[in-house]
Amino acid sequence: EVRLVESGGGLVQPGGSLRLSCAASGFTISDYWLTWVRQAPGQGLEWVANINRDGSTRRYVDSVEGRFTISRDNARNSLYLQMNSLRAEDTAVYYCGRTEMGIQYWGHGTLVTVSS
Amino acid sequence: SYKLTQPASVSVSPGQTARITCSGDALPKQYAYWYQQKPGQAPVMVISKDSERPSGIPERFSGSSSGTTVTLTISGAQAEDEANYYCQSSDSSDTYVVFGGGTKLTVL
Repeated sequence: EVRLVESGGGLVQPGGSLRLSCAASGFTISDYWLTWVRQAPGQGLEWVANINRDGSTRRYVDSVEGRFTISRDNARNSLYLQMNSLRAEDTAVYYCGRTEMGIQYWGHGTLVTVSS
Repeated sequence: SYKLTQPASVSVSPGQTARITCSGDALPKQYAYWYQQKPGQAPVMVISKDSERPSGIPERFSGSSSGTTVTLTISGAQAEDEANYYCQSSDSSDTYVVFGGGTKLTVL
């Protein structure tokens, strides 16, 4: 069974940092692109970043470029999102997803709250 | 930046056909995907590559494409189909992923 489990969310002050993790099971992540998507409270889905199979290609939405870094550890079957210089508008549930012709599998999300 | 446009809301009576559109300039070149999201839950893909139905998705869900518009059709909508629906695609260079703003489907 394919499973994606996010962790690392929490409350952080503006300007702070947080590292999200996504543990995958039931498949080998090295066979897939992986994606982070977020959803602010009461709002729609927003693509944040994705990464190719070996980590050599990383893409970001403009609003996080230079502040967030997506990475992966295929040996640990894990995906990460390092978030620096956090802003109030980064407050959201962050989902990781397995990507092949769209996002076929999603985790249940981890909540990040940026507030003083 | 590239945008996908969806209606904010669609309402149908049970058993009627619901149609949700999504418009974007790159849709003739890029596949579209549809996701269903119920309150407090993660999204679920209901249509892949414009019109393919993933395993486990009921046959009443279908997708189509015409020019710069893709359409999600739910034939014989049921109360359990009440949810937010999002289209997703990529820009013309296939570099950036984009979601539509979402459509709240009410079955009442």
